[in-house]
This record gives sequence, structure tokens and C-alpha cells, in this order.
Amino acid sequence: DSGVTQTPKHLITATGQRVTLRCSPRSGDLSVYWYQQSLDQGLQFLIQYYNGEERAKGNILERFSAQQFPDLHSELNLSSLELGDSALYFCASSVTGGTEAFFGQGTRLTVV
Amino acid sequence: DAKTTQPNSMESNEEEPVHLPCNHSTISGTDYIHWYRQLPSQGPEYVIHGLTSNVNNRMASLAIAEDRKSSTLILHRATLRDAAVYYCILRRAQGAQKLVFGQGTRLTINP
Repeated sequence: DSGVTQTPKHLITATGQRVTLRCSPRSGDLSVYWYQQSLDQGLQFLIQYYNGEERAKGNILERFSAQQFPDLHSELNLSSLELGDSALYFCASSVTGGTEAFFGQGTRLTVV
Repeated sequence: DAKTTQPNSMESNEEEPVHLPCNHSTISGTDYIHWYRQLPSQGPEYVIHGLTSNVNNRMASLAIAEDRKSSTLILHRATLRDAAVYYCILRRAQGAQKLVFGQGTRLTINP
């Protein structure tokens, strides 16, 4: 158990819908990262937050947004969902931006 | 971002040492070398990291070339549970410090 909690574990939704994925980092970790892992692609870095502020951005689509709240949990919002958005979404956290990161078990999103 | 190059796949036998190579010829002086692995159906897991000197922990050893343009992750005695995709990642010591994964090396362990 990494200490990072992601909910829900599985999510099935229709095209065009909007979903919110939630991540609770390890206690004391200030940095949160989001990743997307599709079958045909590796782990794609989406976005990083540090203590509530956006720190780095990767290949995150405009239909996707994220935020980190004062209690340090984070949410990834995916809107206007397409079939191609079906993937595993991982959240990770670390104490600071440079220390080892701990990953959650992921949320498997299926868009039908 | 500085790139890393790893073999797509490697195979080894149980209870034998495994040496996983990584080339990072464009590494900068402030880049740390991190290794993560991803077991089937799980999130990635931190293995080890280093800057210039070789590092050891309970999971593995990291050997860093003197010019820092390459490194090797060493699993001293592989078990079937070590079968995973291993990622070598460069990470800035300061600044954005984002953690960007490449394709990694898929390690197969034969019983």
C-alpha cells in the first residue's frame, strides 16, 4: 500500500459526459502528479501540482483540468469524453517536487 | 527534457543478477537519475535514485558511469516478482521536477 488513494477504482461512462477522478496523497506530501496510461501508449504525464499551485504541465488536453485543494487532495476533471479517453489514470504524490513519488492503484476509465 | 534510452525488453533467469542499462547522454549536471518499475496491473513503484555516486538500497543497486552519460540498475538476485517494466528517468534537482516516463524495459524472469 503506497498510501495514495484514488477513487473510484473503475468508472464507465458514455461519450460526451464529464467525470471527476479524485486523489488523496500520502499524509504530508505536498506534490501531486496525474498520469494517463492507455493500452497503446506508455505513461503520459498530464500535470503536477505543488501545495495548491500548478507546477508543471504535460500533454494534458484542453478538455481536461485539475486542481489541488487546501487539504492537498486533488481532482482531475475530464469533460466531453471520447472513446480514446479510455485509459488508466494514475495519481502520484511526493513530499516535494524532487523526492521519490508514490503512486496510487489508478482509476480505470472506460468510455462507451 | 533530457532523454533516456533503454532496451525494449530483457530476459533473465530466477536467482541470477540482472543488469538493466540506461543511456542518458544529454544529462545535465543537476539531473538526478531515477528508476521506477511497474508490475502488471499496478501503479509504478519507486526503486532507487542517484546523482553521481553508486547507490544501494534493499531493492536494488544503481551504478552510475563516471561521465554520468549512462547508468545501470542492478537486481542482485532476480525473483519472479521482479518481472515488470523498468523505467529510467532524469529529474531536475530544481524547477518543475516533473516525472516523465519513457517506454522502459520489459523484464521477463524465467523460472
